[in-house]
Amino acid sequence: GNSVTQMEGPVTLSEEAFLTINCTYTATGYPSLFWYVQYPGEGLQLLLKATKADDKGSNKGFEATYRKETTSFHLEKGSVQVSDSAVYFCALRGRSQGAQKLVFGQGTRLTINP
Amino acid sequence: DAGVTQSPTHLIKTRGQQVTLRCSPKSGHDTVSWYQQALGQGPQFIFQYYEEEERQRGNFPDRFSGHQFPNYSSELNVNALLLGDSALYLCASSDPGTGRNIQYFGAGTRLSVL
Repeated sequence: GNSVTQMEGPVTLSEEAFLTINCTYTATGYPSLFWYVQYPGEGLQLLLKATKADDKGSNKGFEATYRKETTSFHLEKGSVQVSDSAVYFCALRGRSQGAQKLVFGQGTRLTINP
Repeated sequence: DAGVTQSPTHLIKTRGQQVTLRCSPKSGHDTVSWYQQALGQGPQFIFQYYEEEERQRGNFPDRFSGHQFPNYSSELNVNALLLGDSALYLCASSDPGTGRNIQYFGAGTRLSVL
């Protein structure tokens, strides 16, 4: 079945540091890929998405590129802020009939210190 | 434009009881999915409804059931509660205009089973 593996956290960085959170996936065919963010006490917010190979999703300074050859969708940001502290989830959605669900990784907790 | 709304926000039950959680999708969305998020884990898919029918189901027992109403709102029912059912329950909606590819989440209902 489809699955997502994220780098284990927690990740702690200083403000203005460069961020990478690794995500790899296993899926049949070419799924859509997503990054969601969850702030304390809240639900999930869609951060960015990519629907086909070599697509780059971007939002709020975050970027991720759909790499079919390495089955990866790593999240990056050039300069993090304290407000980026949250839990980040990588997810995929299959394309076949009956594959409507989102499959999530285990999440990576990010803490940014001033 | 109201987003996905869930009620109640918090709930405390005892083992063996039954619970009903409610979800109203975003305006224009006809599909509702439910997820269970245990503490420190990624969300796990429970089931998805559209056209008032269950279209896909995850690996959850029959104690978990649902319903979708003509106005697209949905309920999640859990019978014979177990301690392990304690979790954040998330509802997500999507619309046919995007091929139901993007799911928008509510803030969730936190269920505690004592």
